[in-house]
Amino acid sequence: SAVISQKPSRDICQRGTSLTIQCQVDSQVTMMFWYRQQPGQSLTLIATANQGSEATYESGFVIDKFPISRPNLTFSTLTVSNMSPEDSSIYLCSVGGTGTHSNQPQHFGDGTRLSIL
Amino acid sequence: GDSVTQMEGPVTLSEEAFLTINCTYTATGYPSLFWYVQYPGEGLQLLLKATKADDKGSNKGFEATYRKETTSFHLEKGSVQVSDSAVYFCALSPSAGNNRKLIWGLGTSLAVNP
Repeated sequence: SAVISQKPSRDICQRGTSLTIQCQVDSQVTMMFWYRQQPGQSLTLIATANQGSEATYESGFVIDKFPISRPNLTFSTLTVSNMSPEDSSIYLCSVGGTGTHSNQPQHFGDGTRLSIL
Repeated sequence: GDSVTQMEGPVTLSEEAFLTINCTYTATGYPSLFWYVQYPGEGLQLLLKATKADDKGSNKGFEATYRKETTSFHLEKGSVQVSDSAVYFCALSPSAGNNRKLIWGLGTSLAVNP
């Protein structure tokens, strides 16, 4: 399975600032996913990022707040903009398996633990 | 729409106890089913999967069988260890479409005491 590296692993940020999270994969993948996991909660999909096209955002998430880049098949970034304490969460990058079948699992990075003061 | 319902936690067991975490789903067709585990301070790891009815996924002593008739995918382990303390997530990948969006359960926290 793919090895996924996320940076930073954690950060403490001031209200109103922005932070960019990087996700690097050791192999080329078509689809990359960004999730948010609020404290004690399950995962919520923010957006799907395909190389060469704009990210597809889920309901409740907008590009102005969570801009995403996908410059190539091994890398993506998620920016959390104009942060407030409600943005304190774990942000997780994942990649889908190769092929076109839904039975391929997603694999995750270790996440970025973000706290907003 | 598709959904996953997972047993609420937290679950607290003594070491060597038998573990069952219930997971049922609602979906059309034949989805793929997964269990993920999240150890404290870490990301999610795929624990096991099953892609068709009656498949049994297994890993690290954990097992789950894809039961189409009861729309269930319960996670079991015969003898838990302290190191199994984690949050366990059941997830579903719909059989229709190719966007591979996973449907997640709410997670079940497991604490194993020595």
